[in-house]
Amino acid sequence: GQNIDQPTEMTATEGAIVQINCTYQTSGFNGLFWYQQHAGEAPTFLSYNVLDGLEEKGRFSSFLSRSKGYSYLLLKELQMKDSASYLCAPMDSNYQLIWGAGTKLIIKP
Amino acid sequence: GAVVSQHPSRVICKSGTSVKIECRSLDFQATTMFWYRQFPKQSLMLMATSNEGSKATYEQGVEKDKFLINHASLTLSTLTVTSAHPEDSSFYICSARDLSGHSPLHFGNGTRLTVT
Repeated sequence: GQNIDQPTEMTATEGAIVQINCTYQTSGFNGLFWYQQHAGEAPTFLSYNVLDGLEEKGRFSSFLSRSKGYSYLLLKELQMKDSASYLCAPMDSNYQLIWGAGTKLIIKP
Repeated sequence: GAVVSQHPSRVICKSGTSVKIECRSLDFQATTMFWYRQFPKQSLMLMATSNEGSKATYEQGVEKDKFLINHASLTLSTLTVTSAHPEDSSFYICSARDLSGHSPLHFGNGTRLTVT
């Protein structure tokens, strides 16, 4: 079957760095997306990885290892507004995104 | 960047009535749009894939006669919740992707449906 494994909840301090890990199993693979979702709002796109390695975009970076079925999202210089759920979503061979429950990130001052 | 517009953002209706939700891609053409439902603290659940000019593909367990999907143009898909019941109360979100399969999904802002 297809599944996503992310921590349910993480807590970090404003100004610090946090890494959110994701392992996945899919039928085929066409890349992996990370989305941010604030409570009561729709998800917004953060990053996309299709090749192994690190993609950096401002304070956010995303890493992919296809052989390990593993990705992480790295958030630097955390701000209070980064408190949200972070969704790891790999895309299967049919170009369908597979969604897990996400990781709820709580930022404390 | 790509924008998806979804209306209404919030609707309250009485049990037994029907509600239509619109999803528009504003600056790109979307041959495929996706409709999701999300209950509190749960993951996004794909309900159906809407294909322009053809019938929607529904996920297992989703009643196609209850959740009517119409994708009449490359920029508009609609979801109609027919004969709504309180258990249909949820957050409905549409998304679309431009013609490239590797491009990200762009989401509408969602519709909070409350059925009383």
